[in-house]
Amino acid sequence: DAKTTQPPSMDCAEGRAANLPCNHSTISGNEYVYWYRQIHSQGPQYIIHGLKNNETNEMASLIITEDRKSSTLILPHATLRDTAVYYCIVRSSHTDKLIFGTGTRLQVFP
Amino acid sequence: EAEVAQSPRYKITEKSQAVAFWCDPISGHATLYWYRQILGQGPELLVQFQDESVVDDSQLPKDRFSAERLKGVDSTLKIQPAELGDSAMYLCASSPQTGITNYGYTFGSGTRLTVV
Repeated sequence: DAKTTQPPSMDCAEGRAANLPCNHSTISGNEYVYWYRQIHSQGPQYIIHGLKNNETNEMASLIITEDRKSSTLILPHATLRDTAVYYCIVRSSHTDKLIFGTGTRLQVFP
Repeated sequence: EAEVAQSPRYKITEKSQAVAFWCDPISGHATLYWYRQILGQGPELLVQFQDESVVDDSQLPKDRFSAERLKGVDSTLKIQPAELGDSAMYLCASSPQTGITNYGYTFGSGTRLTVV
């Protein structure tokens, strides 16, 4: 399974866009990029996923570079409730597993 | 919105005692996963079920951990005997079917285990 690299922590002002980067340079053609977040003491929550096209849903946007070696999760208007650990995961269609790294701790401040 | 149910929410047990966690996945979800999350780390996959069969338990410490999903619906994870290092959050997740990667897992709220 391809590994991902994320910054350990980021800050964002409330109301501003939060842009969380992820590198996955060894990703292969049939592997999806998934994003989950985990608010303190809760289970991980699914945010969004994509293969090669940019994706948007009610929670966030996912921008995947053309070579698919990196991606960015965008929270367009961050709120205090978006403070959480965000995990970028490459999911293999062969193993079907979600293998978590250590994620990015996003702190949204007033 | 459908949820993955886990119980208990918190558990404190003494070292060398047995402890068990229960998980009820979303109705109709064939695949069930157990993860362990040590404080400050990401979740680590312990075991994966497809219906009642174990698909992968390569990361499950089988000398003290066991997992079952007898009727392919709910599941139990057991630790016997518990050790201090087992203190962690135990998470259960489910998805419709193995091999469908265009679908995320749904996680439960977890069981926080403290071994004293």
